[in-house]
Amino acid sequence: DAKTTQPPSMDCAEGRAANLPCNHSTISGNEYVYWYRQIHSQGPQYIIHGLKNNETNEMASLIITEDRKSSTLILPHATLRDTAVYYCIVRVVSLADSSYKLIFGSGTRLLVRP
Amino acid sequence: DSGVTQTPKHLITATGQRVTLRCSPRSGDLSVYWYQQSLDQGLQFLIQYYNGEERAKGNILERFSAQQFPDLHSELNLSSLELGDSALYFCASSVGDLNSPLHFGNGTRLTVT
Repeated sequence: DAKTTQPPSMDCAEGRAANLPCNHSTISGNEYVYWYRQIHSQGPQYIIHGLKNNETNEMASLIITEDRKSSTLILPHATLRDTAVYYCIVRVVSLADSSYKLIFGSGTRLLVRP
Repeated sequence: DSGVTQTPKHLITATGQRVTLRCSPRSGDLSVYWYQQSLDQGLQFLIQYYNGEERAKGNILERFSAQQFPDLHSELNLSSLELGDSALYFCASSVGDLNSPLHFGNGTRLTVT
């Protein structure tokens, strides 16, 4: 399974961009990178995902390097409500049973400061 | 609101007992996943069902079992409960293909006393 490496914690000021890095050097060609966040003990919330190209939606932008070995999640204008644990996940593909699991790591705890 | 409904929200029971957790997926989603989150383990994948059939197994104990019914709702059965089974149990659903995200419910908090 492709593993991800994230810093355990980060902080940023409210209103500034939050850039969360992730390394996934063993990623395979057909594996997507997914980002989720978990606020307190709520269910993980889907943010964004991508394969090769950069992606943007109403929540965030995802920048994937050309070699696909790392990516960065960008929250353009962080608010206090963005304080959460952010998980970068490489979605595991099993062609044998067509299963597409999400295996969570430890994530990055982002603290947005007032 | 993710559209995934889990019941009950909280459950307190004694060691040795058996409980059933229920999950209703989002409308149109065929795949259901179960995860366990305890304080010292993080989010652990337990099992996945797709359209009623088991697709993948993770770190699921033999005391635990799950099924997905014809109406696509799913149940996770936990038996012979131990103190260490106290955790948050999350259900997630997706359309079922590689390019579709999982959407998580808000979980069932199980406390075993």
